[in-house]
Amino acid sequence: QVQLQESGPGLVKPSETLSLTCTVSGGSISSYYWSWIRQPPGKGLEWIGYIYYSGSTNYNPSLKSRVTISVDTSKNQFSLKLSSVTAADTAVYYCARDRRVAAGTWYYYMDVWGKGTTVTVSS
Amino acid sequence: QSALTQPASVSGSPGQSITISCTGTSSDVGGYNYVSWYQQHPGKAPKLMIYEVSNRPSGVSNRFSGSKSGNTASLTISGLQAEDEADYYCSSYTSSSTWVFGGGTKLTVL
Repeated sequence: QVQLQESGPGLVKPSETLSLTCTVSGGSISSYYWSWIRQPPGKGLEWIGYIYYSGSTNYNPSLKSRVTISVDTSKNQFSLKLSSVTAADTAVYYCARDRRVAAGTWYYYMDVWGKGTTVTVSS
Repeated sequence: QSALTQPASVSGSPGQSITISCTGTSSDVGGYNYVSWYQQHPGKAPKLMIYEVSNRPSGVSNRFSGSKSGNTASLTISGLQAEDEADYYCSSYTSSSTWVFGGGTKLTVL
């Protein structure tokens, strides 16, 4: 059973870079896309971006200038960097398993989620 | 990209049925059969309830069903139970190869 675990600092100073890692256990990172999603306190979900195990990425246009997602297949991990953070970036950050192809058919959904990690931006 | 539109709240009594709508555009909901629904209890991660408009993952009750007409997708919960009280989010794949979520709907079981 695949499990995801987010890790990283819980407190980041304004203007600095937020860095999180998602570790995939119980399965391979290969053949899937992997997404980051966040949820500000009391608000809804916001998709941040995804990465394919091969390294191709796509980002939310509203965050694109500040986001970088990378993958390390040798460690079964993928990571998020969000630069120039402000208080508006305070949120619970989730990683999730995204779409995949199986037997030539693509399946579009996020079916496995991490428990989330809270990141607060404050000096 | 703009968030999909969901009602802020819905309510129903145990045993009743409720429907939550999710309205987008022809660039997302209307253009693809890649609409998902997620259930989120307080302090928990979202849980996939419906994928690709109307498919249920293994283990999800058949009281949950999904449909789509034009640019609007819907989640119906029949035989409402107290444990269904939660926030529900729709999401859709888009023409820009991104994902977009709805604003979320708080379901109250009276």
